[in-house]
Amino acid sequence: DGGITQSPKYLFRKEGQNVTLSCEQNLNHDAMYWYRQDPGQGLRLIYYSQIVNDFQKGDIAEGYSVSREKKESFPLTVTSAQKNPTAFYLCASTLRTGSPGKAFFGQGTRLTVV
Amino acid sequence: AQSVTQLDSHVSVSEGTPVLLRCNYSSSYSPSLFWYVQHPNKGLQLLLKYTSAATLVKGINGFEAEFKKSETSFHLTKPSAHMSDAAEYFCVVSDDVDTGRRALTFGSGTRLQVQP
Repeated sequence: DGGITQSPKYLFRKEGQNVTLSCEQNLNHDAMYWYRQDPGQGLRLIYYSQIVNDFQKGDIAEGYSVSREKKESFPLTVTSAQKNPTAFYLCASTLRTGSPGKAFFGQGTRLTVV
Repeated sequence: AQSVTQLDSHVSVSEGTPVLLRCNYSSSYSPSLFWYVQHPNKGLQLLLKYTSAATLVKGINGFEAEFKKSETSFHLTKPSAHMSDAAEYFCVVSDDVDTGRRALTFGSGTRLQVQP
């Protein structure tokens, strides 16, 4: 079955460390997204990619970086510059950006800074 | 730029009574609009979508939403709430033609509680 896989489900990071969250999809979707979810704030867009080797900043990109070397993969790195990284992170994909189709979501990664 | 405002952060209803979750949007003249539901410890699930066809959209689990361009609203309704409807609901808009930024924009969410 096609879908999106995020790993790991839970991640602990020490302050000052970079950490990378994985997101893989086998849906042959062009567009992929990273969102951050905090209580009371819904989902906020971090980065998105419309096509391989291209990505755009979302609303809260500071302290994050991404790459899109393969269509199937869109890893997110939370750098030490991110002031408040503890959150729930969701990866999503759509056939194309802005397409009226359905978005598919991963199960999320909960990142905790210790 | 596109934006979504969910007017209520929490809604509480009794089982068997109607549900109304309100959503207003700001977007281009032909937005695509969605409602997603997130149950505790589960992923997001698409309830329904509007893509410039019929203005009254029927979704899963008895939910429906009406696109009202004059009011820039896309409220979610259900005639009779069930205990299993308790979850977080997100209104989403897509397709920002003006800036060329084409990404899903989420509202802040509405937590629905259903009392027995």
